[in-house]
Formats: sequence, C-alpha cells, structure tokens
Amino acid sequence: DVKVTQSSRYLVKRTGEKVFLECVQDMDHENMFWYRQDPGLGLRLIYFSYDVKMKEKGDIPEGYSVSREKKERFSLILESASTNQTSMYLCASSPLNEKLFFGSGTQLSVL
Amino acid sequence: GESVGLHLPTLSVQEGDNSIINCAYSNSASDYFIWYKQESGKGPQFIIDIRSNMDKRQGQRVTVLLNKTVKHLSLQIAATQPGDSAVYFCAENPRRNTPLVFGKGTRLSVIA
Repeated sequence: DVKVTQSSRYLVKRTGEKVFLECVQDMDHENMFWYRQDPGLGLRLIYFSYDVKMKEKGDIPEGYSVSREKKERFSLILESASTNQTSMYLCASSPLNEKLFFGSGTQLSVL
Repeated sequence: GESVGLHLPTLSVQEGDNSIINCAYSNSASDYFIWYKQESGKGPQFIIDIRSNMDKRQGQRVTVLLNKTVKHLSLQIAATQPGDSAVYFCAENPRRNTPLVFGKGTRLSVIA
C-alpha cells in the first residue's frame, strides 16, 4: 500500500512562528503536492513539485514556501505563521499527474 | 477559467437506497476525472477514476458516469451503507502535466 505520512496530526503554533510541516511518501513517486482544506472552500493547491529540488506555485502560495531536497520528502514552510493560516493541511503524492495518494492531514491552529 | 462544481452540497439518503452525487466541469479539454471519499478526520481516499474516452466505469458498488456533451460527471453508490457517510470530491485534469482541479465536495449522510 502507498503510504503518505505527515509528521503531525495536530499542531498549535503562535502568530509569527516559523512552522514546518513534513511529508514523506514511500512509493518513489515523482510528484508531490500540498493542499489546504477549509470548510466550504474545498481543497486548494499551495505548492507542488514534479522532481527533486523543483517546485511550482499552486493557487494560493502566498505566505508559504516548500522544500524538496529528497524525492520522498516534501516540506511546507510557513515563514511567519498568521491566524488566517489556521487550516487542515494535506500532502499528496502521485506517480503521474493523475491519481493522488493523500496523507491523513495536519490540523494547524495558529493562535 | 477552469472550475469543477457540484450540484448538491449535501445529500441525505436512506440506508439501502442508491446515492447519486453529481459534478459539473467547465473544461471540455479535460481528459481524466476522479472521485475521492473523505471521512471525518482522514485524508481523501481514491474511489474510482475514468478517462474521457469512456462514458461509464464500474467498481465495487460504485459507478462513475461521464457525459462529455453536457460536461457532467456522476458517482453512483449502490445500496448505500452507513460507512458511506463522508464528503465526496470530484476532480478533473484539464491539461496534461498540470495538477488536478478539485470540486468543493458533497456531504453524503446515510440515514439508518
């Protein structure tokens, strides 16, 4: 079974903190993605990566950055967390640009 | 712009009945479509997918129908069970080598 593991299930941070959300996949997938999910807004794409050290902006990249130093790991970084970044964050991977495999999500609260 | 939408944001179904969840898409160039199920507190899970060269595909208790003429996608769940209660998302691939575009989701509630 494909496994996409997100390092934290719940996270509470303070405004202004630098936050790292980690994601690891074990299926040697080329593509990895970060989404945030908010009630009524569905899944919104933050950043994605089609290869190591490669990154592309999604629909809502402002306030975020990413890092992909190794194929299996894709990190989402909030440089200075703000309350409007309180959300559920979902990581996904895929071998092609089709069927995505999702992690369980990280519920981030910024106080 | 490209968009994927849903006709019904919430759907309540009696246990044992069939469920139909609908999705409209706007990009006629989309060639791949997929349905996900998301249970409370979990990440989305793959249910079924379909390519644009097909109009129907069946899985276990689920069927996806694609009507390219009206740009409509539907997910049918046979003999709906309480475990089917979840939010269902459709998604499309509007262009090769671009990420999937997701709809906003429909909540399915199964009444026992």
